[in-house]
Amino acid sequence: GAGVSQTPSNKVTEKGKYVELRCDPISGHTALYWYRQSLGQGPEFLIYFQGTGAADDSGLPNDRFFAVRPEGSVSTLKIQRTERGDSAVYLCASSLIAGGTDTQYFGPGTRLTVL
Amino acid sequence: DAKTTQPPSMDCAEGRAANLPCNHSTISGNEYVYWYRQIHSQGPQYIIHGLKNNETNEMASLIITEDRKSSTLILPHATLRDTAVYYCIVGSSSGSARQLTFGSGTQLTVLP
Repeated sequence: GAGVSQTPSNKVTEKGKYVELRCDPISGHTALYWYRQSLGQGPEFLIYFQGTGAADDSGLPNDRFFAVRPEGSVSTLKIQRTERGDSAVYLCASSLIAGGTDTQYFGPGTRLTVL
Repeated sequence: DAKTTQPPSMDCAEGRAANLPCNHSTISGNEYVYWYRQIHSQGPQYIIHGLKNNETNEMASLIITEDRKSSTLILPHATLRDTAVYYCIVGSSSGSARQLTFGSGTQLTVLP
């Protein structure tokens, strides 16, 4: 079946601009996670959704970052007033249920470059 | 979540077993050991997880020491496509969803 997809695969923007990154989880997966990966480092957790609600947004670095999942499926990560330090690969993952040992399946990521 | 320690890099000859160690000396009783890998320019891929018993699936085997303070991921016959960064992660099995806390991982290079 189809895996997690993310669009765009690459995004180049200028400092100060607004960007939206999209994640399509595996159909039927109720939990959705966003991570950010800087060069040479492991992914870092940003936010997790259970259904439509953000159950844990403790990883969002500041209030310029926001994410939504209005219908409990597709999610959009929104970054306002982008800064050069926001450049990274943004990864999305989904899992069938929330919690326990449920496996997270990752998408290929969106590479964001802020000039 | 407990912290893990992995060597930054390892080499393995193609066709040989790759044994990737991980120390997690502060692991608590309800925490599982998970292994993911990330091939260059791709998202992380789940490999295997375990609590205290050894586990095996089509990709790998996971050996957890009796005191659960360390584990080894074994790729029985490494191929060039197994070249990747391998992450050992410790996470709770509690009811709430658990984000994964990645470290720096081990860069495994399989040599021809």
